[in-house]
This record gives sequence, structure tokens and C-alpha cells, in this order.
Amino acid sequence: NAGVTQTPKFQVLKTGQSMTLQCAQDMNHEYMSWYRQDPGMGLRLIHYSVGAGITDQGEVPNGYNVSRSTTEDFPLRLLSAAPSQTSVYFCASRYLAGGDNEQFFGPGTRLTVL
Amino acid sequence: AQKVTQAQTEISVVEKEDVTLDCVYETRDTTYYLFWYKQPPSGELVFLIRRNSFDEQNEISGRYSWNFQKSTSSFNFTITASQVVDSAVYFCALSEAASISSGSARQLTFGSGTQLTVLP
Repeated sequence: NAGVTQTPKFQVLKTGQSMTLQCAQDMNHEYMSWYRQDPGMGLRLIHYSVGAGITDQGEVPNGYNVSRSTTEDFPLRLLSAAPSQTSVYFCASRYLAGGDNEQFFGPGTRLTVL
Repeated sequence: AQKVTQAQTEISVVEKEDVTLDCVYETRDTTYYLFWYKQPPSGELVFLIRRNSFDEQNEISGRYSWNFQKSTSSFNFTITASQVVDSAVYFCALSEAASISSGSARQLTFGSGTQLTVLP
């Protein structure tokens, strides 16, 4: 049971480049989400999904796209990277039923946009 | 909208001292859930505790204890006899329904975190 995995662990991009951050979970969780962590701001929700084919925006969705074609995978796409997207990105998952279910977090991806 | 405030940005204590991390939340829901997470220097997020809004009992787990008070909208975290390994960023988080129709699609809102440094 690998839990929540994220790739890559580190990435450097140039302004304007695009890339996809990968996230996968093997716990059959319906709910998956992406957060970004910036100094002094905690973690902020980018996008989330409550099941395959269903996604919705969180607090800071601009500049990011997501899709959920399978229960296991929830990739995050940066369409045209900007320095403001330099951050640490965390993917998380949990069971949907019951609002108090613990969210399991991936190890994070540290992204730098030059 | 829900909000979590951790007013203490950084705290520094000497080993074996007790330390309390404050968390104040805002929500319009009558049913909500509160969490604490630990982020050690290695960067991963470690779940510590969850509490639902109907359970105001304080909880103790070893050197950790949590004080939930609905009257003051606070969910404070105390570490007794702190150790160097407790040095980390601690996040308080609140989960409430995103909307009436969203049901179980509760969103987790994090506070800005408290950096705790325990000196030997």
C-alpha cells in the first residue's frame, strides 16, 4: 500500500513552460485534492474531485487545470508557468463519506518557476 | 466562509518546557471538524488529531493534549515536556461543507501554521 504518491519531487521551469504534476493513490479514495503551500499562508486548496469525471475549483484555481479519468489518478497541469506559481504542491485523498475522514497527503512537489 | 487563525507565527522554547499552540476558527456550520497536522523539517504532513463539533471533550495522547472550546471557537494544542523532535510547523485545519448541496465534499481550510522550535 503506497498511499499517496507524487512525482516529481522537485522541478524547475522557465516562465511560460507547461508541465503536469502527477498524483496517484491506491486506497480507493473518492475524494482527491491539490494544495499549494506558501510561506506564512498555510495550505490553500487549488482543485478537488469527488470522483472520476468530477472536478471543482478550490480557493486558488487560476493557472491550473485538473482532470480525473480514474479513481486512482489526479494530475495537476500548469498551462503556462509563472513565477507566482513557485510553491510546494501537495496532493491529498480521503474517503468521501463522513466529513471527518482524515486526509492522506503525498510527500509534496517543490516547484520553482524562473 | 470558514477561516482558521493561528496568531503565533513562531514559538521557541527550551526542551522540557510546556508549550501551547493557539487555534481560533470561524464557521457558519453547526457541524464541522477540526484537525491538527504536524510538518517536520522533512516536509511531509503528519495527521495528529481530529475532533467533531459535537464532541467538546479534551483529549490527551501521551505528551500531547487538545482543548476544544466552542464558546471561544478555539482548538488549542499543548505539548507537555517538549522535546527537540517536536520542532516542526503545526497546522490547525477546519472542515465544513463547501455548500448545502455539496454534502460530503467538505473542504479543509488550513491556518497559516506555527513554527515551533524546541532548543536543547
